[in-house]
Amino acid sequence: DQQVKQNSPSLSVQEGRISILNCDYTNSMFDYFLWYKKYPAEGPTFLISISSIKDKNEDGRFTVFLNKSAKHLSLHIVPSQPGDSAVYFCAADQAAGNKLTFGGGTRVLVKP
Amino acid sequence: NAGVTQTPKFRVLKTGQSMTLLCAQDMNHEYMYWYRQDPGMGLRLIHYSVGEGTTAKGEVPDGYNVSRLKKQNFLLGLESAAPSQTSVYFCASSLVPGQGAGNQPQHFGDGTRLSIL
Repeated sequence: DQQVKQNSPSLSVQEGRISILNCDYTNSMFDYFLWYKKYPAEGPTFLISISSIKDKNEDGRFTVFLNKSAKHLSLHIVPSQPGDSAVYFCAADQAAGNKLTFGGGTRVLVKP
Repeated sequence: NAGVTQTPKFRVLKTGQSMTLLCAQDMNHEYMYWYRQDPGMGLRLIHYSVGEGTTAKGEVPDGYNVSRLKKQNFLLGLESAAPSQTSVYFCASSLVPGQGAGNQPQHFGDGTRLSIL
């Protein structure tokens, strides 16, 4: 039973528009959430994170929102660029154990 | 700057064969991890290490063994390969969590694609 789920396996968006990626979790003990980006034939790279004491964290074009009551987080990319085309994974951790539980990933395609 | 290096990048094995996947990091990280990635399932933690000489089981440890004899290296072994172990394997490393920033982002290698026939 997956504790972290990304229900949209793929997303297509026009360059310059907003990309919204969603992630749901079931384990209420998770207190830290991360997004990783992965290009083909490469390892995932860390993108942005958020602690459960916050509901928003922003870094340039990337913003992560956390709704603890709904056990839901989302990643917003504004504006989307062709170089953002990749697979995005959300991941969750608890008690700073650094043992991550990953979602299944969402493949984003940004069309020029 | 190498970061996390995994060897080999590709390998094909026959059922029952054994092999060792190598991971090396040059960032002086204490923590190291082995994951496997299967379609639609994201990455799942196999084993991890919180320091030289220590190892611990992750979510899917069965059929794998690991060793961390040196701080910079983390080895993943398959004693008797099975077709169910066909996957892409990723190694990662991180600083010790809790040092100022709480969770520490993990730095990943580029993966080893392993096929078991």
